[in-house]
Amino acid sequence: QVHLVESGGGVVQPGRSLRLSCPASGFTFSNFALHWVRQAPGKGLESLALISYDGSTEAYADSVRGRFTISRDNSKNTLYLEMSSLRVEDTAMYYCAREKSQGEAFGVLEHWGQGVLVTVSS
Amino acid sequence: SYVLTQPPSVSVAPGKTAKITCGGNNIVDKSVHWYQKRPGQAPMLVLLYDVDRPSGIPERFSGSNSGDTATLTISRVEAGDEADYYCQVWDGARDLPLFGGGTKLTVL
Repeated sequence: QVHLVESGGGVVQPGRSLRLSCPASGFTFSNFALHWVRQAPGKGLESLALISYDGSTEAYADSVRGRFTISRDNSKNTLYLEMSSLRVEDTAMYYCAREKSQGEAFGVLEHWGQGVLVTVSS
Repeated sequence: SYVLTQPPSVSVAPGKTAKITCGGNNIVDKSVHWYQKRPGQAPMLVLLYDVDRPSGIPERFSGSNSGDTATLTISRVEAGDEADYYCQVWDGARDLPLFGGGTKLTVL
């Protein structure tokens, strides 16, 4: 059974940094592209970042490009999101998600973690 | 940039049929996926590639895609279907998924 469990959230001041982790199990981690998606309070889902199965390709939303970095350690079956220069508007529930199919990303997010809350506040 | 437009809310009585639309320019040329999001829970994929149901999703959930509108249809609506529903396509310009604004389904 596929398991994704986000951690690393919390309350942080504006301008500071935070790293989210998403260890995974139940599948061959290195075969799947992975995503970070967030939902701000009262708002909809927002795709933030994508990393290819082998870590060679990354993509970012305009709202986080240059501030957030997605990475993965296939030897530890873990996905990361390094967040810097955090803003109040980054306050949200952050989810990691796995593509449905192995290999290239097609944007079908079949498996999701339960999410981790990040609150940016002074 | 490509935009997906969903109605903010849809209401339906139990046992009736709910239709949730997702508008986009020539959306018929894209594959549309649908997610159910209940409060406090992770999003769940309920329909992929316009019409396919993932394992475990009831046949009551179906979809269509034509012209500028994709539609998620939920037949014989149950109280447990009450949730937010999001359509999503692949944004080739950004190489990321693109979500619609979401529709709150209320079961009366």
